[in-house]
Amino acid sequence: DAKTTQPTSMDCAEGRAANLPCNHSTISGNEYVYWYRQIHSQGPQYIIHGLKNNETNEMASLIITEDRKSSTLILPHATLRDTAVYYCIVLLIIQGAQKLVFGQGTRLTINP
Amino acid sequence: DTGVSQDPRHKITKRGQNVTFRCDPISEHNRLYWYRQTLGQGPEFLTYFQNEAQLEKSRLLSDRFSAERPKGSFSTLEIQRTEQGDSAMYLCASRGQARPEKLFFGSGTQLSVL
Repeated sequence: DAKTTQPTSMDCAEGRAANLPCNHSTISGNEYVYWYRQIHSQGPQYIIHGLKNNETNEMASLIITEDRKSSTLILPHATLRDTAVYYCIVLLIIQGAQKLVFGQGTRLTINP
Repeated sequence: DTGVSQDPRHKITKRGQNVTFRCDPISEHNRLYWYRQTLGQGPEFLTYFQNEAQLEKSRLLSDRFSAERPKGSFSTLEIQRTEQGDSAMYLCASRGQARPEKLFFGSGTQLSVL
């Protein structure tokens, strides 16, 4: 699976949009970009995923560049409860085990 | 959907003792994963089950570690002769066959080896 690079930490003001970048310059054509987050003392939680097109769900939006070498997770109106570690993962979807390979992620702090 | 349940939430043991953790996945999920997470690091894959079959094991899983899923439902992870380096959060996750391919994680078992 392709390696991802994320900033170690970021801050964002409550109510503003939080934009979390991820570089995955070695991604192959059939690998998906997944985002999970982990709030303190909990297991990771799925947020969103995409292949080529931008995606939006009730939690976030995912913007993938045209060359697919990077992506941005957007939390449109960040709240204090969005403080967490955010993991960007590139995953090849095939039959069988699709084990997620986590990096160190971005520690996002939402400030009041 | 009652979520993935792990027991116990916390375990303190002395070096050399054996410990066993239990994971109850979401009921219709046939795939089950174990991960380990140390402080400040992302979770690391340990092993994977599809139904009762253990299909993949990480090199991190030494011979002191054994995982089972005897009836394809709950799973246990046993660590024999614990070492201080085994201190970590042990996370269980499950997944069904529906798309998208997303894992549902439990809250983990925090192991401290003294």
